[in-house]
Amino acid sequence: EPEVTQTPSHQVTQMGQEVILRCVPISNHLYFYWYRQILGQKVEFLVSFYNNEISEKSEIFDDQFSVERPDGSNFTLKIRSTKLEDSAMYFCASGTDFYGYTFGSGTRLTVV
Amino acid sequence: QQQVKQSPQSLIVQKGGISIINCAYENTAFDYFPWYQQFPGKGPALLIAIRPDVSEKKEGRFTISFNKSAKQFSLHIMDSQPGDSATYFCAASGDSGNTPLVFGKGTRLSVIA
Repeated sequence: EPEVTQTPSHQVTQMGQEVILRCVPISNHLYFYWYRQILGQKVEFLVSFYNNEISEKSEIFDDQFSVERPDGSNFTLKIRSTKLEDSAMYFCASGTDFYGYTFGSGTRLTVV
Repeated sequence: QQQVKQSPQSLIVQKGGISIINCAYENTAFDYFPWYQQFPGKGPALLIAIRPDVSEKKEGRFTISFNKSAKQFSLHIMDSQPGDSATYFCAASGDSGNTPLVFGKGTRLSVIA
């Protein structure tokens, strides 16, 4: 069964540093998403991406965040200057339409 | 109005019993209601989903019941098994999918033998 692959599985970074979280969506999918889950809490939407541009973003997705699809297969989330409160599981997801998309296993980001 | 309220927060069920998790929403624009299952260290996996044109959908041991007038939907797991022990999230999205998923806070289910 096709999978959404995320790397790294765990990233530790110092506060103020830039991090890039990487995702390889399922190959024929057109819609891409980033969600995050702070430990023990609900899954929260960050951003959706379609046709090489952001289609929607939440209030969490401020100027410190950016997304890119650099080479037609990867989908990245960049956090420019990490804060302690950015520590969370970050999930990438992809789908053929807006419904029923597939999540990756996540990247655990720890900001120290 | 964008919230999805989920209960209970945790649930312990005997093997073979029925697990019931409830969700409520307020936004009448929501038109897609999926349930996700999440095991520790993994991403949420789509379990079953329903649209508001039907009141019930069954897939194997998993059933969604949907009450449009009450703006509530629930997940029933029949013959619960220890392998069902996981966190379950309800979610909703709307406007024909043009809004992102809004998740409930999750229910940690433990099925004990």
